[in-house]
Amino acid sequence: VQLLESGGGLEQPGGSLRLSCVASGFTFNSYAMTWVRQAPGKGLEWVSHIDGRGRDIQYADSVKGRFTISRDNSKNTLYLQMNSLRAEDTAVYFCAKGPPGSYLDIWGLGTAVSISS
Amino acid sequence: EIVVTQSPATLSVSPGETAILSCRASQSVRSSLAWYQHKPGQTPRLLIHGASTRATDIPARFSGSGSGTEFTLTISSLQSEDFAFYYCQQYGNWPLTFGGGTKVEIK
Repeated sequence: VQLLESGGGLEQPGGSLRLSCVASGFTFNSYAMTWVRQAPGKGLEWVSHIDGRGRDIQYADSVKGRFTISRDNSKNTLYLQMNSLRAEDTAVYFCAKGPPGSYLDIWGLGTAVSISS
Repeated sequence: EIVVTQSPATLSVSPGETAILSCRASQSVRSSLAWYQHKPGQTPRLLIHGASTRATDIPARFSGSGSGTEFTLTISSLQSEDFAFYYCQQYGNWPLTFGGGTKVEIK
């Protein structure tokens, strides 16, 4: 079972990035997926959740209206479209799987996002 | 939003001793609480879910207890690989929330 994130990098405030998370080793469409982030020197922050069919979607207030979570079950891939980026979005972004609205039993290594002018 | 508070922020423990970490939720989450171990640069690892159920392949020296608003993670006979950051997470209500973490360091 593996999750591999990509798409991070350096972006200017107000810009956009799209993160991807490719899953392997399990039946992707049977599991909810989640994005969690960790800002430098800080703890973990839950960002967004999507159920196996992509119908139940939740966001943290800090990203609502700016970030969009989606998934392509035919490609075993989870996405996070991040728009109107702010300095406070600087973090390592992890994808994780688990039961819907529940704990996270497998995590990826993360992809680093840095927002700076 | 349910606020989750962990204490202490840092716990200094000698190898072989027992570490007791606390997690408090601002309102009841029943038993919907998980604990994770995280070492910098590594993948976070699920230790406990349902407040007291050990995840797959987690050693018996890790145990969780509590319900409602007060939870505890106990690590018995600390080994060198146990020195890390530990986070609790509630999943009783949206949005899901994490505690601020406890760093378990070598005394």
